Parts: sequence; C-alpha cells; structure tokens
Amino acid sequence: DSGVTQTPKHLITATGQRVTLRCSPRSGDLSVYWYQQSLDQGLQFLIQYYNGEERAKGNILERFSAQQFPDLHSELNLSSLELGDSALYFCASSDPRGYTFGSGTRLTVV
Amino acid sequence: GQNIDQPTEMTATEGAIVQINCTYQTSGFNGLFWYQQHAGEAPTFLSYNVLDGLEEKGRFSSFLSRSKGYSYLLLKELQMKDSASYLCAVRAAGNKLTFGGGTRVLVKP
Repeated sequence: DSGVTQTPKHLITATGQRVTLRCSPRSGDLSVYWYQQSLDQGLQFLIQYYNGEERAKGNILERFSAQQFPDLHSELNLSSLELGDSALYFCASSDPRGYTFGSGTRLTVV
Repeated sequence: GQNIDQPTEMTATEGAIVQINCTYQTSGFNGLFWYQQHAGEAPTFLSYNVLDGLEEKGRFSSFLSRSKGYSYLLLKELQMKDSASYLCAVRAAGNKLTFGGGTRVLVKP
C-alpha cells in the first residue's frame, strides 16, 4: 500500500456523461498531481494542487476540472465524456525522491 | 518546455543485460527518475539521479550525464518478472515530473 488512495478502481460510463475521480494523498502530503495514461501511452500531466490551490496545469481539457479540499483529498471531474477519454487516471503525492502513485482509476467510456 | 525520448520497445533474454537510454531537453533540471510499470498498474520508483554518475541498486543501475542530457537504466540478470514498461522522468521547478513515453521491455526465456 503506497498510502495514496484512489477510488473507484474501475468506472464504466457512457459518452456524454460526467464522472468524479477521488484521490487521498499520503498523510501529511500537501501536493496532489493528476496524470492521464491512455492505452500504450506515457503519463500525461493534467494538473497539480498544493494545499488547496492550483499550482500547475498541463494539457488538461476544458471539459476536465479538479479541486483539492481542506482535508487535502482531491477530485478530478470529467464531463461530456468521449470515447477518447478512456484511460487510466493516476494521482500522486510528491516526496524528495519523486512521486508515490495511487493504484489508479481505469475509466472506460462506451 | 521539456522533451524526453526513450525507445519504444526492447527485447532481451532471461539472464542477460539490457540498457534503456533516455535523452532529455529541459530548463531548470532538478533530477531524473526511473519508474517500472507493469501493465494496468501504478508506476513504482526504481532510481533517482541528480548528480552525474552511476547509481547502483541491486540488479538495477542508473547513469546520468547532465551536460549531455542523457541517462540510462541498466537491468542485469534479467528475470521474466522484469517484463514491464520503464519510464524515464525529469523533474524541473515545482516538483512536477515530465515523463517520457516509456520503454516496453520483453524478457524471453
């Protein structure tokens, strides 16, 4: 157990729908990073939060949004879903030697 | 911005050695990381280099040359369980990691 918790593990939904992915960082970690990994692709940076504030943004679509709450858990909201949004979504906490990843949420859009 | 290149796929035989190269271009370099990722699972940390030279950890070693923008991951005494993707990642300012596309290593008996 990495200490970074993601729920749900799997999600199947239809095109046009909206879903929310949840991440709880390791206890005491203030940062949360969200990444998307499509099939056989690398990890694409979406967004970073630090202590409730957005710190950096990658190539995140306008249909996607995120927030970090006072208890430091974060949610990634994906709306108007398209087939191409099917992917693994990871969140991570940072430490001096890199990242610790959650186990990911596999999103399948049908 | 950042640009990270690594080969897409490599094949090697059980017991052999494989070297995975990674070249990068970045501003504000603050460390290079290697992760292992099995299909459908989360990446797991393998190694970290911030200074030039070789870091050895068991069967895995990683090398960095900052002046050349170059790193490699060396996997020795390959085992079947080493079949996975290996991700090179560069850290710049703000602790954000940028990942290469990953190298899929297939270990054959």
